[in-house]
Amino acid sequence: DIQMTQSPSSLSASVGDTVTIACRASQTIYTYLNWYQKPPGKAPKLLIYAASSLQSGVPSRFSGSGSGTEFTLTISSLQLEDFATYYCQQSHDIPWTFGQGTKVEMK
Amino acid sequence: QVQLQESGPGLVKPSGTLSLTCAVSGYSITSGHFWGWIRQPPGKGLEWIGSIFHDGLTYYNPSLKSRVTISVNTSKNQFYLRLTSVTASDTAVYYCANRVGYHFDFWGQGTLVSVSS
Repeated sequence: DIQMTQSPSSLSASVGDTVTIACRASQTIYTYLNWYQKPPGKAPKLLIYAASSLQSGVPSRFSGSGSGTEFTLTISSLQLEDFATYYCQQSHDIPWTFGQGTKVEMK
Repeated sequence: QVQLQESGPGLVKPSGTLSLTCAVSGYSITSGHFWGWIRQPPGKGLEWIGSIFHDGLTYYNPSLKSRVTISVNTSKNQFYLRLTSVTASDTAVYYCANRVGYHFDFWGQGTLVSVSS
């Protein structure tokens, strides 16, 4: 299985901050990398697909980059509704696997 | 917009069978796309269980393959999850989702299934 490792596991930030979350794959996944936002008790929401494509309806403060094994999710000007857990997910190989999550908490 | 809704028993006995239904609205299952199941045990991360196409083509997580069956009923616009020989480690929130290309586009709200006697 392809292992997905996110860093950090958690971070504290304030409204207006820029936040960066890293995701590393155990082998190359080209750009088969998606990012999801999961608020507590709610379903995951797709933010970014194919490493850098913004899902329709998602605010432009969310952006993704990377290819191969190293990927980044950036949230510019963090808003109140952005405090949640973020997961990366690879879809290059079965089984599709997720990172362990990065919890973005309010400072 | 596609909407998905999971339903099924919230409690299953150890060694029993977990059965869930995902009702799809706003989109015909036969129009394309894959449909999948993902779960999240309490306090843990997300785990992909498997996916199905409307013609019945399936892909399963090898770690669960011996116990999992995903099926589809196009006339009801529903798909299903069946997990046999469950243990406490199968306790999780189970989500159904619509897979567009190589990502999960729309998700159901999730349903908690506990395995306990």
